[in-house]
Amino acid sequence: EAQVTQNPRYLITVTGKKLTVTCSQNMNHEYMSWYRQDPGLGLRQIYYSMNVEVTDKGDVPEGYKVSRKEKRNFPLILESPSPNQTSLYFCASRPFLGGSSYEQYFGPGTRLTVT
Amino acid sequence: GENVEQHPSTLSVQEGDSAVIKCTYSDSASNYFPWYKQELGKRPQLIIDIRSNVGEKKDQRIAVTLNKTAKHFSLHITETQPEDSAVYFCAAPHISSGSARQLTFGSGTQLTVLP
Repeated sequence: EAQVTQNPRYLITVTGKKLTVTCSQNMNHEYMSWYRQDPGLGLRQIYYSMNVEVTDKGDVPEGYKVSRKEKRNFPLILESPSPNQTSLYFCASRPFLGGSSYEQYFGPGTRLTVT
Repeated sequence: GENVEQHPSTLSVQEGDSAVIKCTYSDSASNYFPWYKQELGKRPQLIIDIRSNVGEKKDQRIAVTLNKTAKHFSLHITETQPEDSAVYFCAAPHISSGSARQLTFGSGTQLTVLP
């Protein structure tokens, strides 16, 4: 089954404790991205990657890091989480090279609470 | 980058009535305009999209119209049903070097269909 998976689905942590949210897709998509969703603000892009070893900042990259060592994985790293990073996080993927659709496939989401 | 504004933020309609959600965008090079539906507790999913060479696209009870001159596009849902209740997001890409590198989302519309 074609899908995007994220882990963990729920996480409660404390300020300053490094954490990683994993994202994996099995559709051989070149493009992957991370969004955060906050009430009234919609989906805001954190980072995106157009292919292996190619990453770029989105609209709200401060406090986050990413890496793209393999095509299928795109982990989101919070080196020193703060309460303002409490949010619902979505990973997404889509084809980038070739194809006629920009349809993004979203993961199930990770609800992060930083106390 | 791209700036996408979406209105209204909330919309309540009676079952069977029509619903219209509107979005404007800023990047005149944008060429693809998707609409995503997010049910409560679920991930966003694409429901319809339109490319800039088409003025209108219809899929059963949903349709999207595009006015490139005015830089706005709209989602129309006819004969609304309770299962249409969800948050709807519009989006538009930021085109750089001929590619859609980022997808910017509107802030979302909470549609409630009253029985």
